[in-house]
Amino acid sequence: DIQMTQSPSSLSASVGDRVTITCRASQSISSYLNWYQQKPGKAPKLLIYAASSLQSGVPSRFSGSGSGTDFTLTISSLQPEDFATYYCQQSYSTSPTFGQGTRLEIK
Amino acid sequence: QVQLQESGPGLVKPSETLSLTCTVSGGSISSYYWSWIRQPPGKGLEWIGYIYYSGSTNYNPSLKSRVTISVDTSKNQFSLKLSSVTAADTAVYYCARQLIIAAAGKYYYYMDVWGKGTTVTVSS
Repeated sequence: DIQMTQSPSSLSASVGDRVTITCRASQSISSYLNWYQQKPGKAPKLLIYAASSLQSGVPSRFSGSGSGTDFTLTISSLQPEDFATYYCQQSYSTSPTFGQGTRLEIK
Repeated sequence: QVQLQESGPGLVKPSETLSLTCTVSGGSISSYYWSWIRQPPGKGLEWIGYIYYSGSTNYNPSLKSRVTISVDTSKNQFSLKLSSVTAADTAVYYCARQLIIAAAGKYYYYMDVWGKGTTVTVSS
């Protein structure tokens, strides 16, 4: 199993802040990394695939970068609707695994 | 616009088999992979397995001995069976479309459409 570790586990920020969430893989996964957003009581929503490709309809303030074992999700200017939990997921192996999640809260 | 809807019993007794169905609407089940993912209360996401419309499957090694995923293309549905359930199987169960794309000589996959989820509680 490829283990995915996110940091931090939780984060407090204000509207307008620039926020970065990190995801680390237990082995190199090239650029096989996806990011999802989940709001309470809702299904996850795909934000970024292949480490840096923005899913259609996702605001451009979201961006992803990284390759190998270290990846980041950046929100350039936080909006009220961005407060949620974010998960990374590797698609390098045929058995996908998720990070434990990063909860983004309002400061 | 493809939509997914999970259905099945919300309460299952310990040691019995959990059975859920995902109905695909607004598009065909053909030519895609379809996944089941679950989320225990207050916890993160766990991939259970996927099925190709042709019937080939791949399961999470930690659940493989108890999981069966099947597809019914005539009904545009795919299903999950999880046997010998315990309280640890209590979770929200999601179905999702697993899309595969080719880019720069590589094949990437991701879950681009999700159902709303259904809560399954294992309790006597």
